[in-house]
Amino acid sequence: DIQMTQSPSTLSASVGDRVTITCRASQTISNCLAWYQQKPGKAPNLLIYKASTLQSGVPSRFSGSGSGTEFTLTISSLQPDDFATYFCQQFNNYPYTFGQGTKLEIK
Amino acid sequence: QVQLQESGPGLVKPSQTLSLTCTVSGGSINNGTYYWSWIRQPAGKGLEWIGRVYASGSTNYNPSLKGRVAMSLDTSKSQFSLRLNSVTAADTAVYFCARVSPTMFAFGGVMVVRGWFDPWGQGILVTVSS
Repeated sequence: DIQMTQSPSTLSASVGDRVTITCRASQTISNCLAWYQQKPGKAPNLLIYKASTLQSGVPSRFSGSGSGTEFTLTISSLQPDDFATYFCQQFNNYPYTFGQGTKLEIK
Repeated sequence: QVQLQESGPGLVKPSQTLSLTCTVSGGSINNGTYYWSWIRQPAGKGLEWIGRVYASGSTNYNPSLKGRVAMSLDTSKSQFSLRLNSVTAADTAVYFCARVSPTMFAFGGVMVVRGWFDPWGQGILVTVSS
């Protein structure tokens, strides 16, 4: 299986900050990566697919980059609604696998 | 827009079979464009992909479930289902159904179809306990 490792596991930041979350794959996955946001008690919500394509309706402050084994999710200016847990997911090969999650907390 | 809703028992006894259904509304389940998946999340933990089913009935499952899983579609009811047998406490989790948006690319010299999950159902908590 392809292992997905996110860092950091927890991130404390303030409204207006620029934050970056990293996701590393144990082997190359081209651009076969998606990012999700999950709030407590809710299902994950797709933010980005194919590493850098913004899902329709997702604010433009979210962006993704990377290819191969290293990927980043950047939020350019944190808003109160952005404090949540973020997961990456690879779809290059079966079984699909997720990162362990990054919890974004209010500082 | 497409919406998904999970249903089924919230409590299953050890060694028995977990059976869940996902009802799809606002779109066709058998138009051949999308795949349909199940994903689970134990309390306070990460996400685990269980498997996917296609309109043709073809399936792919996570080997970690060691042959205990089966998925199927009922196009007449716009539903797809999950069966997981011989459950233990380790199978206690919130179970989500999701649509897989496909993309095609070359993998090992063969064209394959893979994808990301959107949208998701709200999730259903299934507890395995006697």
